[in-house]
Amino acid sequence: DIQMTQSPSSVSASVGDRVTITCRASQDISRWLAWYQQKPGKAPRLLIYAASSLQSGVPSRFSGSGSGTDFTLTISSLQPEDFATYYCQQAYSFPITFGLGTRLDIK
Amino acid sequence: DVRLVESGGGLVQPGGSLRLSCAASGFSFSDYWMTWVRQAPGKGLEWVANIKDDGIEKHLVDSVKGRFTISRDNANNAVFLQMNSLTVEDTAVYYCARDLRANYCTDGVCFLPSWFDPWGQGILVVVSS
Repeated sequence: DIQMTQSPSSVSASVGDRVTITCRASQDISRWLAWYQQKPGKAPRLLIYAASSLQSGVPSRFSGSGSGTDFTLTISSLQPEDFATYYCQQAYSFPITFGLGTRLDIK
Repeated sequence: DVRLVESGGGLVQPGGSLRLSCAASGFSFSDYWMTWVRQAPGKGLEWVANIKDDGIEKHLVDSVKGRFTISRDNANNAVFLQMNSLTVEDTAVYYCARDLRANYCTDGVCFLPSWFDPWGQGILVVVSS
């Protein structure tokens, strides 16, 4: 199975900050990676697919990059509604696997 | 609007069975793969199973193979997860999601990745004596 390692596991930031979350795959997954946002008590929401494609309706302050084994999710200017947990997911092979998540808290 | 609504969860004893249902609306259901993802209390996301648009091809995570079955009814826009021989480790919120699995082709080489959008609100399954 492909292991997905996210870092950091948690981060504190302020409104307006730029935040970067990283995800590393245990093997080359090309660009077959997605990012999700989950707020407490809610279902996850797809933000980014194919490593860098923005899902329809997602604000442009979210961006993704990377290929192979190393990927990043960047939020260019944090808004109050962005405080949540973020997960990466590899879509390269079965079983599909997720990272353990990065919790983004208000500083 | 695309909508997914799960039902069928609840409390079950270890070794018992449950059948989860997910009712879909707002999109052409028979054109999409569908998936189930679960989340144990306070934990991360775990993909469980998915099923092709025509119901022929299915994939499951190893931990549920032989115990869980995924199926669908395209006439009624629903996907199901039959869960047998449940253990306490199966306690989780179960989400159904539309699987956007589709061909991405570059220079004659095609790939079929799965990502999920949207998700239902989730249904809680508690396995406990």
